[in-house]
Amino acid sequence: EVQLVQSGAEVKKPGESLKISCKGSGYSFTSYWIGWVRQMPGKGLEWMGIIYPGDSDTRYSPSFQGQVTISADKSISTAYLQWSSLKASDTAMYYCARSVGSGSGSYVIADYWGQGTLVTVSS
Amino acid sequence: QSALTQPASVSGSPGQSITISCTGTSSDVGGYNYVSWYQQHPGKAPKLMIYEVSNRPSGVPDRFSGSKSGNTASLTISGLQAEDEADYYCSSYTSSSTVVFGGGTKLTVL
Repeated sequence: EVQLVQSGAEVKKPGESLKISCKGSGYSFTSYWIGWVRQMPGKGLEWMGIIYPGDSDTRYSPSFQGQVTISADKSISTAYLQWSSLKASDTAMYYCARSVGSGSGSYVIADYWGQGTLVTVSS
Repeated sequence: QSALTQPASVSGSPGQSITISCTGTSSDVGGYNYVSWYQQHPGKAPKLMIYEVSNRPSGVPDRFSGSKSGNTASLTISGLQAEDEADYYCSSYTSSSTVVFGGGTKLTVL
C-alpha cells in the first residue's frame, strides 16, 4: 500500500528555520516525483515545487523559488521542505504528494497525498 | 503564473448533474492534455478524481467525468450525491514546466 507520512505540526516564531518531512513507503521511492503543495487557512491549493528522489532533479514554482528548499534523502525514502527564515505568511497546511504522469507531464498527477503538516508562524 | 479560473461555488440537488469549469490559457490548459481534478473534503487531504483531462483513477465512480475544449477544462458530476459536497480543484501542466492549480470551487449539494 502506497503511503506518504508527514511530520507533525509545528509552531515557530518569525525568523526561525524549519524542515518538515514526508516519508514514502509501499513503492519505489526513487522512481516517482514528490511534490509539495501549500494551502493557506481557508484558501486554495498552491503548487510549490517537486523533486525526483532518484537524481534530485528539482523544479520550483516561480512564486516559491528562493523562498523554500526541496530536498530528498533516498536512503530513508524521505522528502523535505525547508525554510531558512520563516514569516507569518508561511502559516499554512503543507501537503506532499507522489506525482506521476507521461511524457513532458511526468509529474503532473498527484495520485497519493500525505496527511498534511500544519505550520504556524507567530510571535 | 496565474491560478486557473474556477467558479467560486456551484450547487445542485441530489440526482442532478453539475459542471465545474477551469479556464486557463494556451500556455497551460489549452496547450497540454495534462489537466487533473481533485476533491477535498474539509480537514482532509485532496483526492485525485480525474487525470489527463478525462481519465478516472481506479475506485472513482463513473459519475465523475472530465473534458476540455480550447483553454477550458470541465468536470461533470452526474447523479449528485450528498457525499460529493466538497471543494474541487483543477490543475494543469504549464509551458514553464510547472504545475498550476485553479482557485477551487465549493460544491454544495442542496
